[in-house]
Amino acid sequence: AQSVTQLDSQVPVFEEAPVELRCNYSSSVSVYLFWYVQYPNQGLQLLLKYLSGSTLVKGINGFEAEFNKSQTSFHLRKPSVHISDTAEYFCAVSSNAGNMLTFGGGTRLMVKP
Amino acid sequence: GAGVSQTPSNKVTEKGKYVELRCDPISGHTALYWYRQSLGQGPEFLIYFQGTGAADDSGLPNDRFFAVRPEGSVSTLKIQRTERGDSAVYLCASSQIGTGGNEQFFGPGTRLTVL
Repeated sequence: AQSVTQLDSQVPVFEEAPVELRCNYSSSVSVYLFWYVQYPNQGLQLLLKYLSGSTLVKGINGFEAEFNKSQTSFHLRKPSVHISDTAEYFCAVSSNAGNMLTFGGGTRLMVKP
Repeated sequence: GAGVSQTPSNKVTEKGKYVELRCDPISGHTALYWYRQSLGQGPEFLIYFQGTGAADDSGLPNDRFFAVRPEGSVSTLKIQRTERGDSAVYLCASSQIGTGGNEQFFGPGTRLTVL
């Protein structure tokens, strides 16, 4: 069984400030890791994913995430956020067995001017 | 090309009624997934199709829920005797193949409200 924990349900931040959204997972097998973003009234969109290789993964819109196997974490970061980054962010894991995603509860990023 | 589409976008029904939710995946995608997202929570897996067959239905909450994909493309999620607790956004996703790490492309969802 797999599980994902997003420790922060809401993260308020000022525009142009850096941000980190935390994600921890547990699994008995090797996993693949994803971050999805959900803008208001829109579907889920893939930001980035970790499959193997380099632990630092770069995604769209200036986001990046680092896979830390020893800490079972996959935190999402952006050095300078924009108002347009206001959205719900979901961390998810899958395995080779079918590829169904297990999601965390989500973190609402609120960027203030 | 066209993304994943879902119809209807909104469905309001009364407790005890039967509903069908439709998903049109991206053309050529063999894997199709259904998820349910309750208010303030992350999506939860319901069922996964590889081609026409349900490869994993372990996420279906009970036998009131059923899904089909008869021709390996369009899928329909069917809910019998709806209950107020079924109210949620039902998401469909597809991917090229159903192996680990393949990106799933999500539709906009169907918001189901059971009165």
